[in-house]
Amino acid sequence: DSGVTQTPKHLITATGQRVTLRCSPRSGDLSVYWYQQSLDQGLQFLIQYYNGEERAKGNILERFSAQQFPDLHSELNLSSLELGDSALYFCASSVEITGNTEAFFGQGTRLTVV
Amino acid sequence: GENVEQHPSTLSVQEGDSAVIKCTYSDSASNYFPWYKQELGKGPQLIIDIRSNVGEKKDQRIAVTLNKTAKHFSLHITETQPEDSAVYFCAAMHPGAGSYQLTFGKGTKLSVIP
Repeated sequence: DSGVTQTPKHLITATGQRVTLRCSPRSGDLSVYWYQQSLDQGLQFLIQYYNGEERAKGNILERFSAQQFPDLHSELNLSSLELGDSALYFCASSVEITGNTEAFFGQGTRLTVV
Repeated sequence: GENVEQHPSTLSVQEGDSAVIKCTYSDSASNYFPWYKQELGKGPQLIIDIRSNVGEKKDQRIAVTLNKTAKHFSLHITETQPEDSAVYFCAAMHPGAGSYQLTFGKGTKLSVIP
């Protein structure tokens, strides 16, 4: 158990809908990262938050947004869902925003858009 | 941005043999290189990492080597066991101004044949 908790584990929804994925980082970790994993793209970095502030953006679509709350949990919001958004979404957390620190992953949320 | 290439994409070895997975990175500023193991239905698990001021690191049956000049790093698993079967990802961390992100290779599916 990495200590990073993601909910829900599975999500099935229709095209055009909006969903929210939740991540609770390890105790004491201030940084949260979101990754998308699809079969042909590997692990794609979406966005990073540190202590409530957005710090880095990767290949995140404009239909997607995220935030980190004062209690440090984070939510990833996906809207106007398309079939191609079906993927595993992982959250990871680490202690620091800079420096060579380990990132620990949650078990992921499997999103299926039908 | 950083680009990480990983080879091979699939690897089959006999139990007891060694397995080697190689990665190259493009950004000379990357300074932290973790390896993750992902089992079916689970999140990536950090198994070993190496920092840019070290050339080699070993932990029991796994070792990682880094060649900064050539910008490549490798994972070595000796005396492979069936439980080593999984997808392995390499990653490179690029430090920036107050943020960093991990860029992943596309993964290697390792199968250890009993």
